[in-house]
Amino acid sequence: GAVVSQHPSWVICKSGTSVKIECRSLDFQATTMFWYRQFPKQSLMLMATSNEGSKATYEQGVEKDKFLINHASLTLSTLTVTSAHPEDSSFYICSARDIGTSGEQFFGPGTRLTVL
Amino acid sequence: GQNIDQPTEMTATEGAIVQINCTYQTSGFNGLFWYQQHAGEAPTFLSYNVLDGLEEKGRFSSFLSRSKGYSYLLLKELQMKDSASYLCAVSPTSGTYKYIFGTGTRLKVLA
Repeated sequence: GAVVSQHPSWVICKSGTSVKIECRSLDFQATTMFWYRQFPKQSLMLMATSNEGSKATYEQGVEKDKFLINHASLTLSTLTVTSAHPEDSSFYICSARDIGTSGEQFFGPGTRLTVL
Repeated sequence: GQNIDQPTEMTATEGAIVQINCTYQTSGFNGLFWYQQHAGEAPTFLSYNVLDGLEEKGRFSSFLSRSKGYSYLLLKELQMKDSASYLCAVSPTSGTYKYIFGTGTRLKVLA
């Protein structure tokens, strides 16, 4: 149980385009999902907390208009990188918290974004 | 501010025991988690501590001292597949369940 999927697993796009990444909890309901980015050989940096049915909470320094988050249902959250630029190239990972657990997060497999 | 520190890299020999330390200074404390992450993959859950003491789970054990802001992950009978990054994460606030991750420790297991 407790499986989180992400789609796509990798994407290459041109500078200026927008990219949408989906995060799904496959066998549990998640009122809260989290979006992280990770640079090579570095740890995970929390970008935002995605709450089902309400606006996302962004961490300091993360542009909400650049990284649009939508949590439309208890099993789906999406992150859209708008007008992507090469500096947005990174590994994006989502996680979801099972309603019934003590706070443990289950992570998706990640999405490798490369902006040319 | 929030600060979580771990050693950057460690090396150990197959079959040995290794201890990875984590110290934290956060605005609050609602639990500490250890995750394993292989390169290019998502983190996988190893352990959770919210009360002081040792939690044992097979070859892996995790210890917490809240008064000292300190935790360690102990890996016994090291195997080559244990070569990975080990991430310490603190949940600072009750109710939000968000994590603050440490810098991560890259462990290399040598034959």
